[in-house]
Amino acid sequence: AQTVTQSQPEMSVQEAETVTLSCTYDTSESDYYLFWYKQPPSRQMILVIRQEAYKQQNATENRFSVNFQKAAKSFSLKISDSQLGDAAMYFCAYRSALGTYKYIFGTGTRLKVLA
Amino acid sequence: GAVVSQHPSRVICKSGTSVKIECRSLDFQATTMFWYRQFPKQSLMLMATSNEGSKATYEQGVEKDKFLINHASLTLSTLTVTSAHPEDSSFYICSASNRGKTDSPLHFGNGTRLTVT
Repeated sequence: AQTVTQSQPEMSVQEAETVTLSCTYDTSESDYYLFWYKQPPSRQMILVIRQEAYKQQNATENRFSVNFQKAAKSFSLKISDSQLGDAAMYFCAYRSALGTYKYIFGTGTRLKVLA
Repeated sequence: GAVVSQHPSRVICKSGTSVKIECRSLDFQATTMFWYRQFPKQSLMLMATSNEGSKATYEQGVEKDKFLINHASLTLSTLTVTSAHPEDSSFYICSASNRGKTDSPLHFGNGTRLTVT
């Protein structure tokens, strides 16, 4: 069975600085998708970024980028120029490319942004 | 973008009563919808997978007779918490995937905060 691990329960970053959130996963599959979701205090789940396992190039969305290391089964999220609005819970998620669209979520990392 | 509407956003009910939560995909067809439960400061726990026109698939440890799921159409799934008790108080979130796009991400509803008194 697949697992997703986020080893950092909480992280802090100064406004305008850069922070990296860690995520590792375990799977025997070769084709899958990885996601980072943000959950602000409103509890709405917001997609931040996604990565297809078959793509070697790391995904980037504005200030958000990932470091995808398939062999190491690592999928970290880098947030550049951190803003107060980035403060939220961040969940890493795995989805197989086959079968159902069932997602497996990590335990989350709470990001605090300091003014 | 794809929108999933979940209703109600908050509900308070008395112990022993039933509560129905609706999840609608507004601008796409969702063959599959997922129901999650989230305890405070914890991750999302998958409760069940709702498939249009067939029985839901429940995760281990989730009582199917207590959490009734109906997926009557490609745009609507409902979760009914039957004979609710205070321990059922939680945040429930639905999500849906676009039938026409196999690689599309999950789209989430805004969640329902259930309080059982």
